[in-house]
Amino acid sequence: EPEVTQTPSHQVTQMGQEVILRCVPISNHLYFYWYRQILGQKVEFLVSFYNNEISEKSEIFDDQFSVERPDGSNFTLKIRSTKLEDSAMYFCASSFPGQGGGSYEQYFGPGTRLTVT
Amino acid sequence: SQKIEQNSEALNIQEGKTATLTCNYTNYSPAYLQWYRQDPGRGPVFLLLIRENEKEKRKERLKVTFDTTLKQSLFHITASQPADSATYLCALPRGSGNTGKLIFGQGTTLQVKP
Repeated sequence: EPEVTQTPSHQVTQMGQEVILRCVPISNHLYFYWYRQILGQKVEFLVSFYNNEISEKSEIFDDQFSVERPDGSNFTLKIRSTKLEDSAMYFCASSFPGQGGGSYEQYFGPGTRLTVT
Repeated sequence: SQKIEQNSEALNIQEGKTATLTCNYTNYSPAYLQWYRQDPGRGPVFLLLIRENEKEKRKERLKVTFDTTLKQSLFHITASQPADSATYLCALPRGSGNTGKLIFGQGTTLQVKP
């Protein structure tokens, strides 16, 4: 069964460093997302991406964050200058357009645990 | 402001019983509602979607109801098994157009004892 994959599974970085989290969505999906989950808290939406551009972003997704789909398969999240509070589990998700267009059920990857020291 | 609330207390039940989890939301009228399962250290896994014009939806041992008047969804697992132990998340679509942005509740942890 197709699945979303993410690398690395765990990333440790120092404050102020740049990190790139990588995702390979399910191949025929058209909507792509990043969410994050701080330990013990809710899953929070960061950004959605469709048709090669950001379709929506949250207040968390400030100028330090960017997303890219550099080729037909990868979807990346870059954090330019990490802060301690960026420590969290980052999940990539993808979905296929539902009936009448738009996105419905989302398929999540296993996550990347980002630890900023 | 819009809120999604799930019972943050863990639900402990005996194997074979029916587990019922609640999701309440306020100041919002979603076109659909979704339920996901999340195991520790893993990503959410989609279980069921129910639309605003559907009262009930079933999938194997799972049943979801959606009451748009009460602004509440109930999630039932019948004949529960220890393997059903996980955190169950309620999620609602939010955002402009149909971007698919989901807002999650904090989840209810279910523990099924053998």
